[in-house]
Amino acid sequence: DAKTTQPTSMDCAEGRAANLPCNHSTISGNEYVYWYRQIHSQGPQYIIHGLKNNETNEMASLIITEDRKSSTLILPHATLRDTAVYYCIVRFLYGQNFVFGPGTRLSVLP
Amino acid sequence: DGGITQSPKYLFRKEGQNVTLSCEQNLNHDAMYWYRQDPGQGLRLIYYSQIVNDFQKGDIAEGYSVSREKKESFPLTVTSAQKNPTAFYLCASSPGSGGLYEQYFGPGTRLTVT
Repeated sequence: DAKTTQPTSMDCAEGRAANLPCNHSTISGNEYVYWYRQIHSQGPQYIIHGLKNNETNEMASLIITEDRKSSTLILPHATLRDTAVYYCIVRFLYGQNFVFGPGTRLSVLP
Repeated sequence: DGGITQSPKYLFRKEGQNVTLSCEQNLNHDAMYWYRQDPGQGLRLIYYSQIVNDFQKGDIAEGYSVSREKKESFPLTVTSAQKNPTAFYLCASSPGSGGLYEQYFGPGTRLTVT
């Protein structure tokens, strides 16, 4: 699976959009981009995933660049409950597990 | 309620004892996984199972053992051979294996060995 690079930490004001970047410059054509988040001492929670098209669900939007070398997770109206560590993961179509790096610690501030 | 349950949430053991962590899912998922998480770190794969009565080693299987006798259950035994067993253990399941499927995680068991 391709490696990902994320900022260590970010802050966001409550009610504003949180934009979390991820670089995956060595991604191959059959690797998916997944986003998970983990609130302290809980199991990771699935957010969204995509291959090459932008995706949106009730939690977030995923924007993947045309060359697929980077992506951005957008939380449209961040709340205090969105404070968590966010993991960007690239997963091979036939891979067996998710390789979780250190992620981005997002702090939503009142 | 559909989901993955892990019990207990906190577990304490003395060094040299084997301990078994429970993981149950009622999602009818074929694949199940065990991960370990150390403070400030990402998750590392211990074992996974794609189907009943079959399982494969992950990246850090030494000192651990698993069984998959039923589709809904995938217990993990931390043996006395595991040198640093104190960690947060997470179980996950998935409808199938491979990149098409997201994994759903349980709440985790925090194991402390002294």
